[in-house]
Amino acid sequence: GAVVSQHPSWVICKSGTSVKIECRSLDFQATTMFWYRQFPKQSLMLMATSNEGSKATYEQGVEKDKFLINHASLTLSTLTVTSAHPEDSSFYICSARSFTGMSTEAFFGQGTRLTVV
Amino acid sequence: GQNIDQPTEMTATEGAIVQINCTYQTSGFNGLFWYQQHAGEAPTFLSYNVLDGLEEKGRFSSFLSRSKGYSYLLLKELQMKDSASYLCASVDSNYQLIWGAGTKLIIKP
Repeated sequence: GAVVSQHPSWVICKSGTSVKIECRSLDFQATTMFWYRQFPKQSLMLMATSNEGSKATYEQGVEKDKFLINHASLTLSTLTVTSAHPEDSSFYICSARSFTGMSTEAFFGQGTRLTVV
Repeated sequence: GQNIDQPTEMTATEGAIVQINCTYQTSGFNGLFWYQQHAGEAPTFLSYNVLDGLEEKGRFSSFLSRSKGYSYLLLKELQMKDSASYLCASVDSNYQLIWGAGTKLIIKP
């Protein structure tokens, strides 16, 4: 399957600082990438859909000024958590979809465990 | 609205068989995925069904009934490493993935 690399795997930051998470598709061009947040024992929650060269589409309730998404190339999307607070501590996962025929499998990055102290 | 239902938690014994059910209601349907997710890790792909019937892949099999809006994941010869959450996701008419909350599977010796 296709490979999606997410970096960093884990990060601890101080409250009020910003953190950038990178998501790269290594062996295919991802015109669309998805950013999810997952709290313990809960399902994946879609935050936003990132389209290359255009503004991201945010899900209801997700602050676009707080979670900045940039998709500058077909292989890279970044999520920046600005002015992080402890309640932003979560597991963030990016995903890129590979549309091949009828299969629209989602390939996931390794995830980033963010802890805000 | 769109909705995916699956049990929150299941317990099974090592070496046994377990079936995890998933029912879905989505606007349009373009297939259903099953993913495995170990704690603290990203989900990994298990199966994709778009036609009715059973697809077998080693110890794991997945079944789909489109008329009933129902799927199940069947795990045979359970191993301790199978302890994980199992997520089903339906693909709607816009090819968006609608995720279930996941079923936590606990394997006991």
